[in-house]
Amino acid sequence: GEQVEQRPPHLSVREGDSAVIICTYTDPNSYYFFWYKQEPGAGLQLLMKVFSSTEINEGQGFTVLLNKKDKQLSLNLTAAHPGDSAVYFCAVKGTGGYKVVFGSGTRLLVSP
Amino acid sequence: EAAVTQSPRSKVAVTGGKVTLSCHQTNNHDYMYWYRQDTGHGLRLIHYSYVADSTEKGDIPDGYKASRPSQENFSLILELASLSQTAVYFCASIDRADTGQLYFGEGSKLTVL
Repeated sequence: GEQVEQRPPHLSVREGDSAVIICTYTDPNSYYFFWYKQEPGAGLQLLMKVFSSTEINEGQGFTVLLNKKDKQLSLNLTAAHPGDSAVYFCAVKGTGGYKVVFGSGTRLLVSP
Repeated sequence: EAAVTQSPRSKVAVTGGKVTLSCHQTNNHDYMYWYRQDTGHGLRLIHYSYVADSTEKGDIPDGYKASRPSQENFSLILELASLSQTAVYFCASIDRADTGQLYFGEGSKLTVL
């Protein structure tokens, strides 16, 4: 079945720096891709979703890139600020079925 | 706004005791899930359900039972709690099975002593 590897497990940057989190998945038929953010003591909140083909999605201060050729999904925070400190999870779902597979998470700390 | 609520938010249980974690959603979603979160393991699927009165095993079902008495409610049951079941448990519902976007509850922190 699908396996998702996420790295790095911990990431510490200064305010204004960029930060990159990468997930590698195994199932070439995977179709839906997600990034979730978890703040302390809270559930997971959807940050961005990417579907299907290679695409770049941009949100407020971050970019998500899907590279289906290399089976990689990345989250790039362009200018991190302390409010971005959280645990980030990627998640992958294939076509049909019920299962969403999560990466192991990246704990991001942004210091002033 | 989708809403998934879990109770209790925190619980301390004794080894061998019974624990029930409850989840309620007002999203009108068919699919509901129970995940377990452990440091370094991300989220692992315990049980899920796609219709009332039916539950399915996920990846790590051993030691857990689930109950879906209605579309809105989904419970996770630990008949004989063990130390290894200390974790944070998340309930989630899904908007449509084919898109995969999950809506999570706030989590239930279970400590088994």
